[in-house]
Amino acid sequence: GEEVAQTPKHLVRGEGQKAKLYCAPIKGHSYVFWYQQVLKNEFKFLISFQNENVFDETGMPKERFSAKCLPNSPCSLEIQATKLEDSAVYFCASSQSPGNIQYFGAGTRLSVL
Amino acid sequence: RKEVEQDPGPFNVPEGATVAFNCTYSNSASQSFFWYRQDCRKEPKLLMSVYSSGNEDGRFTAQLNRASQYISLLIRDSKLSDSATYLCVVNGQAGTALIFGKGTTLSVSS
Repeated sequence: GEEVAQTPKHLVRGEGQKAKLYCAPIKGHSYVFWYQQVLKNEFKFLISFQNENVFDETGMPKERFSAKCLPNSPCSLEIQATKLEDSAVYFCASSQSPGNIQYFGAGTRLSVL
Repeated sequence: RKEVEQDPGPFNVPEGATVAFNCTYSNSASQSFFWYRQDCRKEPKLLMSVYSSGNEDGRFTAQLNRASQYISLLIRDSKLSDSATYLCVVNGQAGTALIFGKGTTLSVSS
């Protein structure tokens, strides 16, 4: 597609439940990035992929968070056993090649109650 | 020290004003620099890339000073529609994550 598509727009989970977010990059973009934005505009990088391979996972929490980009499927970010502090907007971005401009999806707002 | 630092503002200016935002970054190896704009917690949208030679796009001018590790954005003749949060963004090594400043909030009033 012509834009990064993220689903769902909003997700509400009780503490301890699983949350799964999806991202379809712009067609032809090989790189996918996940960011977490909490209050006060703090963006935190989580993980990036080059096609289906993990490119950089230095921002991923060691526990509960996992992500995949499989061929012919949207990329996904999964949080097992959500906690209150996981409440945030999760943005996905894609780019054509390393160092190129990253284009963002509209985000998924996760609320953990 | 934060990797990318910005004055959070808010900057409250009248229509037609000129306003300047500044940003500093800590990693001298940074290669790419951008200003993104974010409206009301929507997705960040690229405003412009920033080059050492300086670049201009209509009312917007961006400048990079690598020696001082300093990035600026100048907005001339502010419009109501310029009200947003402006994010100073740095890309480290090619292909790596974007590093965001906390953003500077601009409010333009009539």
